[in-house]
Amino acid sequence: GNSVTQMEGPVTLSEEAFLTINCTYTATGYPSLFWYVQYPGEGLQLLLKATKADDKGSNKGFEATYRKETTSFHLEKGSVQVSDSAVYFCALKRGGSGNTGKLIFGQGTTLQVKP
Amino acid sequence: NAGVTQTPKFQVLKTGQSMTLQCAQDMNHNSMYWYRQDPGMGLRLIYYSASEGTTDKGEVPNGYNVSRLNKREFSLRLESAAPSQTSVYFCASSAGGNPYEQYFGPGTRLTVT
Repeated sequence: GNSVTQMEGPVTLSEEAFLTINCTYTATGYPSLFWYVQYPGEGLQLLLKATKADDKGSNKGFEATYRKETTSFHLEKGSVQVSDSAVYFCALKRGGSGNTGKLIFGQGTTLQVKP
Repeated sequence: NAGVTQTPKFQVLKTGQSMTLQCAQDMNHNSMYWYRQDPGMGLRLIYYSASEGTTDKGEVPNGYNVSRLNKREFSLRLESAAPSQTSVYFCASSAGGNPYEQYFGPGTRLTVT
């Protein structure tokens, strides 16, 4: 079946440190991959996406590259800020038509950035 | 433009009680979804509605019912609440042209004692 696995948290970093949050997936066909972010007390927001192999999604200084050979979509940021403290979710959508947009989420990784 | 709104924000129920969680969106989206979020398990899809008048089961539908009242509103009902349904519930919506860009509400935190 389809599934998403993320590294366990919490991840605690100092401001301006480099961030990597690992995400691997299992899926049939050619899924699309996403990172969502959940700030405290809020719903999820789409952070970035990649729809085919070797695509790089980027937004707000965050990047992730769709690696089909390693079935991975790791999230990176060169210099984190306190305001990046949140829970990050990796997700996939199965490929093919008629999918209706259902997403499969990983368990989430909490990031805490200290000043 | 409020996006996706959910009511209530918090609710405490006793085992066996019933309640309905309300969700509305003002983005003219065709598709709407209900998820539950539990610690260490990410978000799991309960039910979804691809378009007005249709609903389908997701990954964890047992113990829940839904109603797509119109294009704007999608409600989730717990007929007989159980402690296992203690969770945070999120409603989301997406436009037909971009099914992967889901917009989420702020969530409802439900505790069943």
